[in-house]
Amino acid sequence: DGGITQSPKYLFRKEGQNVTLSCEQNLNHDAMYWYRQDPGQGLRLIYYSQIVNDFQKGDIAEGYSVSREKKESFPLTVTSAQKNPTAFYLCAGAGTGGQPQHFGDGTRLSIL
Amino acid sequence: QKEVEQDPGPLSVPEGAIVSLNCTYSNSAFQYFMWYRQYSRKGPELLMYTYSSGNKEDGRFTAQVDKSSKYISLFIRDSQPSDSATYLCAMSERGGGADGLTFGKGTHLIIQP
Repeated sequence: DGGITQSPKYLFRKEGQNVTLSCEQNLNHDAMYWYRQDPGQGLRLIYYSQIVNDFQKGDIAEGYSVSREKKESFPLTVTSAQKNPTAFYLCAGAGTGGQPQHFGDGTRLSIL
Repeated sequence: QKEVEQDPGPLSVPEGAIVSLNCTYSNSAFQYFMWYRQYSRKGPELLMYTYSSGNKEDGRFTAQVDKSSKYISLFIRDSQPSDSATYLCAMSERGGGADGLTFGKGTHLIIQP
């Protein structure tokens, strides 16, 4: 099936640990995005990439890192520098020509 | 001042009613407007995507944009219990949210059978 696939669905992080969230797409989207959603809040942009090997910080990039080595993949690493990492993380993709963003089903990250 | 304001609800209406959901915004550069539906523990699903001012209809859903008032609306006709979800408005200056989308906090909608 085509779409945006995020894994794992649930993830737990220990203090001082880095964790990586996976986002894969087979829609040939050029652009990919990572958002964070907190309870009762809208989505906030962490990082985005419009082309392979290039990415830009969003509104809340501190404590996060990304890579875009392949068009299909845009992993997000939540580093130990992110002091409040518990949230629902959503990955999105969009084609060129002003196409709207489509989302995966998210990864819920919690602290042990 | 928050960029996008959206009443979090909950908004509870009986089955079959017409639902009106709204967002206001402050950034006059926004040109692209979206409505997403989000079920619990799921990612947002795109419902409507519009450019500039005007109306767009798709089945039971109608999106309206009034850029002069910085006000957007989503109407749901013949509401069904399956429409119970959180509805998020989103907007961007460039097409497709090339620089990322700005979201409202979402309205929690409950359709009572």
